[in-house]
Amino acid sequence: EPEVTQTPSHQVTQMGQEVILRCVPISNHLYFYWYRQILGQKVEFLVSFYNNEISEKSEIFDDQFSVERPDGSNFTLKIRSTKLEDSAMYFCASGGGRETQYFGPGTRLLVL
Amino acid sequence: RKEVEQDPGPFNVPEGATVAFNCTYSNSASQSFFWYRQDCRKEPKLLMSVYSSGNEDGRFTAQLNRASQYISLLIRDSKLSDSATYLCVVNKAAGNKLTFGGGTRVLVKP
Repeated sequence: EPEVTQTPSHQVTQMGQEVILRCVPISNHLYFYWYRQILGQKVEFLVSFYNNEISEKSEIFDDQFSVERPDGSNFTLKIRSTKLEDSAMYFCASGGGRETQYFGPGTRLLVL
Repeated sequence: RKEVEQDPGPFNVPEGATVAFNCTYSNSASQSFFWYRQDCRKEPKLLMSVYSSGNEDGRFTAQLNRASQYISLLIRDSKLSDSATYLCVVNKAAGNKLTFGGGTRVLVKP
């Protein structure tokens, strides 16, 4: 069964450093998303991406964040200058245009 | 008011028993409804979509009440492996963002 994959599974970084989180969505999907979940809190939407551009973003997704689909398979989330409060689990999801979204296993980001 | 509200639990359920819980949503424009399951420190996994007529998948039954804006999930004959956090999720249209509730924790005990 096709699945969304994410790398790395864990990332530890120093405050102010840049991180890039990588995702490989399900191959025939057209919609791509990033969500995050701070420990003990609910899953929150960050950004959606369709047809090579951002289709929606949340208040969390400020200028420090960017997304890219650099080739036909990868979908990346970049945080330019990490803050302590960026520590969270980051989930990539993809969808084929119907409502259902499938989530990757997540990247646990710890900012020190 | 939170967009999607759930009782956080935990619901302590004897193995073999039935457990049911609800969630409420505030946006009347919501079109699609889901229950996802999340195990500790893992990704949300789709359990089932929820349809207006109600639907069943094995031991799981989901109901939607659009007038009162609530969704329910019932688990029959609970198994130890049903222990998880159940996430109520809504969205406005296909392709749109998912909005999650905070989750209801279910603990099934022998």
